[in-house]
Amino acid sequence: DIVMTQSPDSLAVSLGERATINCKSSQSVLYSSNNKNNLAWYQQKPGQPPKLLIYWASTRYSGVPDRFSGSGSGTHFTLTISSLQAEDVAVYYCQQYYTAATFGQGTKVEIK
Amino acid sequence: QVQLVQSGAEVKKPGASVKVSCKASGYAFDSYDINWVRQATGQGPEWMGWMNPNNGKTEYAQKFQGRITMTRSTSISTAYLDLSSLRSEDTAVYYCARGVYGSKSYAVFDSWGQGTLVTVSS
Repeated sequence: DIVMTQSPDSLAVSLGERATINCKSSQSVLYSSNNKNNLAWYQQKPGQPPKLLIYWASTRYSGVPDRFSGSGSGTHFTLTISSLQAEDVAVYYCQQYYTAATFGQGTKVEIK
Repeated sequence: QVQLVQSGAEVKKPGASVKVSCKASGYAFDSYDINWVRQATGQGPEWMGWMNPNNGKTEYAQKFQGRITMTRSTSISTAYLDLSSLRSEDTAVYYCARGVYGSKSYAVFDSWGQGTLVTVSS
């Protein structure tokens, strides 16, 4: 199985400041046939299912605010929230879908 | 709008089986794979497998091989998850999720059910 490791486990950011979450995969999730990274990001709030934010490592899902962006390739990826809003308090997960599907352990984002 | 509605919470004894349903609406049920993902309290999600509602083809995560079955009823746009030989470690919220944007057989999940809490306790 591909192991996904996120860092940090939690972070506190002031409103309007940038939040950066990292995700590392134990092997490359770049699919050579279409040159796409099979990496997604989700947001989960208490009592709710995860919500898709980003797929193909950097494509924003429909309706997702543009303050959310994804980057990276191969084994190292980043989710950036450019200007943290109160409603962004949540746990964020990365997921690879290159071989089966595995998720990271999550990063909890709070307001400082 | 796309909606996945799951059956209610279950309490089971160790060694028993559980069947969770997931009714789809708002899209063509047989056009997208249904995946099942579970999440124990305080843990990250764990993918269990996918099913193609059009032909019934399935793929299960190796961890669950031998005690998991995914089926569907296309006439009522409903998918089912059967998990047998339950143990306390299977206590979790179980979600169905629609699969989209995959390169191979695997995908991301754009719509999720509300979740079904399965508690395994003697």
